Amino acid sequence: QSALTQPPSASGSPGQSVTISCTGTSSDVGKYNYVSWYQQHPGKAPKLIISEVSKRPSGVPDRFSASKSGNTASLTVSGLQTEDEADYYCSSFAGSNNPVIFGGGTKLTVL
Amino acid sequence: QLQLQESGPGLVKPSETLSLICTVSGGSISSSTYYWAWIRQPPGKGLEWIGSIYYSGSTYFNPSLMSRATISRETSKNKFSLKLSSVTAADTAVYYCGTNLVGGATEYWGQGTLVTVSS
Repeated sequence: QSALTQPPSASGSPGQSVTISCTGTSSDVGKYNYVSWYQQHPGKAPKLIISEVSKRPSGVPDRFSASKSGNTASLTVSGLQTEDEADYYCSSFAGSNNPVIFGGGTKLTVL
Repeated sequence: QLQLQESGPGLVKPSETLSLICTVSGGSISSSTYYWAWIRQPPGKGLEWIGSIYYSGSTYFNPSLMSRATISRETSKNKFSLKLSSVTAADTAVYYCGTNLVGGATEYWGQGTLVTVSS
């Protein structure tokens, strides 16, 4: 299974909204409602911010939202704040033979 | 609140076996809630899922690493471990242990440990 495809970079100004895409195939993103998103600040472990396509774990601000259409999942960060500057990774369940695949990551810059 | 901590050598020679342990506190690895997983991240690069072990002992692996990776557990010590054989410089990475939910989301993460493969 190939990695999921994410844009290498995205940017926005404080207060604006930005959307990051994650494109897979009909064997992973398109087949299962198990897309997750992670936020990673430099030198830190990733943090789960979205599971099961659009569910926010407790404590994650509702500025973070996500959805899926066909083989592409999307993460939207609304009301950008400087602390949102980080790397964002998507992942998807891809079946019992290769359960978890990741995207290459997107570096979000808050201008 | 689950806490996970990786431990093991920070330097491994090429062709040798990388061995890491994840110590779990705040919960039991005998719980059916989670799959206990290993994920790695080469310096400056993205995340790669290595594999996981379920409370039943069943293991699951990334096909690209399946031939070299072993995941096991010590339930009495609440630890699980990773062994990766025949390592090369390409295996240099920060290795994380974590908890996978059904569907693969990693809810809890260890702080990560850097393993460098070099002679």
